[in-house]
Amino acid sequence: DIQMTQSPSSLSVSVGDRVTITCRASQSISTYLNWYQQIPGKAPKLLIYGASSLHTGVPSRFSGSGSGTEFTLAISSLQPEDFATYYCQQGYKTPITFGQGTRLDIK
Amino acid sequence: QVQLQESGPGLVKPSETLSLTCTVSGGSISSYFWTWIRQPPGKGLEWIGHVNYSGSTNYKPSLQSRVTMSVDMSNTQFSLNLSSVTAADTAVYFCARGFLGVRGWSFDLWGRGHLITVSS
Repeated sequence: DIQMTQSPSSLSVSVGDRVTITCRASQSISTYLNWYQQIPGKAPKLLIYGASSLHTGVPSRFSGSGSGTEFTLAISSLQPEDFATYYCQQGYKTPITFGQGTRLDIK
Repeated sequence: QVQLQESGPGLVKPSETLSLTCTVSGGSISSYFWTWIRQPPGKGLEWIGHVNYSGSTNYKPSLQSRVTMSVDMSNTQFSLNLSSVTAADTAVYFCARGFLGVRGWSFDLWGRGHLITVSS
């Protein structure tokens, strides 16, 4: 299985901050990498697919980059509704695997 | 718009079979890969597997011996059976719509999730 490792596991941030989350794959997955946002008690929502493409309706303050084994999710100016847990997911091959998540807390 | 909704019991006894159904409303069940993903309390997401409209399945290898998925086209539903459950199978179970495109596998639509507790 492809192992996905996110860092950091948690981050204390303030509204307006720029946030960067990293995801590393245990082998090259080209750009077959997706990012999800999960608010507690809710289902995950697709934010970014193909490493850098914004899913429909996702605000432009979210962006993704990377290829191969290292990827980044950036939030340019954190809004109150962005405090959530973020997961990366490799879409290269089955079994599909997720990172362990990065939780954004209010500082 | 298309919506997914899980249904099933909330409590299952150890060694028994967990059964869940996901109803797809507002759209067709043709195309896509209808997927089950679970999340133990306070933990991350685990892909269990998927079934497509023709009944073809793909399961996580570590769960394969206990998992069965099927699709009911006439009722636009798909289902999950997980046998011989233990406390480790306690989780919120999500159904999701899987898509395989030029950018790989992704899940663009999710149900709200259904908590299943395994306990006697």
